[in-house]
Amino acid sequence: DAGVIQSPRHEVTEMGQEVTLRCKPISGHNSLFWYRQTMMRGLELLIYFNNNVPIDDSGMPEDRFSAKMPNASFSTLKIQPSEPRDSAVYFCASSPSGEDTQYFGPGTRLTVL
Amino acid sequence: AQSVTQLDSQVPVFEEAPVELRCNYSSSVSVYLFWYVQYPNQGLQLLLKYLSGSTLVKGINGFEAEFNKSQTSFHLRKPSVHISDTAEYFCAVRIAMTSYDKVIFGPGTSLSVIP
Repeated sequence: DAGVIQSPRHEVTEMGQEVTLRCKPISGHNSLFWYRQTMMRGLELLIYFNNNVPIDDSGMPEDRFSAKMPNASFSTLKIQPSEPRDSAVYFCASSPSGEDTQYFGPGTRLTVL
Repeated sequence: AQSVTQLDSQVPVFEEAPVELRCNYSSSVSVYLFWYVQYPNQGLQLLLKYLSGSTLVKGINGFEAEFNKSQTSFHLRKPSVHISDTAEYFCAVRIAMTSYDKVIFGPGTSLSVIP
């Protein structure tokens, strides 16, 4: 089992550029979460998908952020345009149906200059 | 509102000494409780969880936690820490929302084991 896969692991971009983060959940898991982690705000839930459908996007900071899950094995988090305050580590996690445990990917460290 | 409090942001402890990381939650209903660990430059992984039954829960790497309903606490303990336990520890609580059960993470406690 490869675990949750995230790409890229590191991203450095300039303010105003579009950033796309990718996530492949563990096969068979039907719940997917995107989190953002910063020193100031800790771990924040951005969006939660269940069976590819967004259930809770109340944590998405603003319209610059969007997330999609076109199928059970792939999800993207897009920031357009990016700003320096978006710099953080972004985690994707997945969970199987009926289970509470979330399995986290290694994260993408985003730096916006 | 539901919340998770970890009073200690940083806990330094000498190797082979015992440690307790504190977690308190606020909830008016039954909860499920979790401890996750994050090693440097890695994602979080589950240490242990309390769903029901015995209030003393044992997890991986020699950690255990005790659910105390009257004090709304779920403190994490280890009798003897190793250098490899240096990491960030997150307490989390699952709460019932209108449409699904949401997991809320605490701010984390940074455990530093000193040789």
